[in-house]
Amino acid sequence: EVQLVQSGAEVKKPGESLKISCKGSGYSFTSYWIGWVRQMPGKGLEWMGIIYPGDSDTRYSPSFQGQVTISADKSISTAYLQWSSLKASDTAMYYCVRIHDYGDYNWFDPWGQGTLVTVSS
Amino acid sequence: SSELTQDPAVSVALGQTVRITCQGDSLRSYYASWYQQKPGQAPVLVIYGKNNRPSGIPDRFSGSSSGNTASLTITGAQAEDEADYYCNSRDSSGNHLLYVFGTGTKVTVL
Repeated sequence: EVQLVQSGAEVKKPGESLKISCKGSGYSFTSYWIGWVRQMPGKGLEWMGIIYPGDSDTRYSPSFQGQVTISADKSISTAYLQWSSLKASDTAMYYCVRIHDYGDYNWFDPWGQGTLVTVSS
Repeated sequence: SSELTQDPAVSVALGQTVRITCQGDSLRSYYASWYQQKPGQAPVLVIYGKNNRPSGIPDRFSGSSSGNTASLTITGAQAEDEADYYCNSRDSSGNHLLYVFGTGTKVTVL
């Protein structure tokens, strides 16, 4: 079974750093792009960025460039999303997804179960 | 960046048909994919490509596209179809290999 399993919920204070993870299994982790998606409380889905674990090629949505860092460790089939200094506005659910992209059509499947990040003083 | 616009909410009587639309310039170049999200759960893929359903998705879900508009149709809506639905496609504004989500539609089954 193809799965993405994310790390557990986090509660942090403003200014703290954080790294959350997404572990893939059941497929060749280095052969598919992995994406990260933010969902703020009661809001819609937002693309953050993507990484190709095979060579760590990384792309960021302009809204998130410089705000987060996406990385991967292919030896353990795990992608990461990290912050160096959290803000209250980073409070959200974060999902990782496996990306299928074939030119004019693409889709995201599966999705991780989500990691809830709460930033509060 | 590109934008994909959806109606905020639609309602449908049990067993009837509902169409959810998604509009945006990128849809002239790329097919949309569609995701269902129920409260407290991760989104789930329901339609991708021209009109493809992943294994396990009921055949009452179908997709279509014309010009700058993609549509998701639920034929014979069931109570369990009540959820938020999001479309997605490639970003066609020049950002290579990035994507954009629609604004989301809340479907209520009456």
